[in-house]
Amino acid sequence: EAQVTQNPRYLITVTGKKLTVTCSQNMNHEYMSWYRQDPGLGLRQIYYSMNVEVTDKGDVPEGYKVSRKEKRNFPLILESPSPNQTSLYFCASGRGGNSPLHFGNGTRLTVT
Amino acid sequence: DAKTTQPPSMDCAEGRAANLPCNHSTISGNEYVYWYRQIHSQGPQYIIHGLKNNETNEMASLIITEDRKSSTLILPHATLRDTAVYYCIVSDRNAGNNRKLIWGLGTSLAVNP
Repeated sequence: EAQVTQNPRYLITVTGKKLTVTCSQNMNHEYMSWYRQDPGLGLRQIYYSMNVEVTDKGDVPEGYKVSRKEKRNFPLILESPSPNQTSLYFCASGRGGNSPLHFGNGTRLTVT
Repeated sequence: DAKTTQPPSMDCAEGRAANLPCNHSTISGNEYVYWYRQIHSQGPQYIIHGLKNNETNEMASLIITEDRKSSTLILPHATLRDTAVYYCIVSDRNAGNNRKLIWGLGTSLAVNP
């Protein structure tokens, strides 16, 4: 089944403790992206990747890192999480052009 | 800022057609209109997209006005499982190769029994 898989689905952590949210897609998509969703703000892009070893900042990249060493994986790294990074995170992937994006089921992160 | 305007909420009776409007008056010639929906806090689900012509798939129909400044998503026979937030999105032509979508707050559709 074609899908984007994020792990974990839920994560509670403390300020400053490094964490990684994994994202994997099995559709051989070149494009991958991370979004965060907060009440009243909609989905905002954090980082994106056009292909392996190519990543770039979205609208809200501060406090996040990403890597794209393999086509299928695009992990989101929070080196020193802070409470303002408490949010619902989504990974998405897609082919080129105007084809639709496929989203994972989300990771709900709470930083205390 | 989102490039689309949608009503914050709508109701629809089960079995009836749900018509969700969207205004995108600043759309450019090569920008597509996309519709996604989000059920509870699950990942957004793609519904349909179009450029100029009306489109139909197994989920919905998309009607785009001739001047392309507005569109309507039609769910022909709404069911309770169609209760969700529906997002109308115009692709960001300034994003270059970034497939960034600018998300607004969408329309919360409630399908009632």
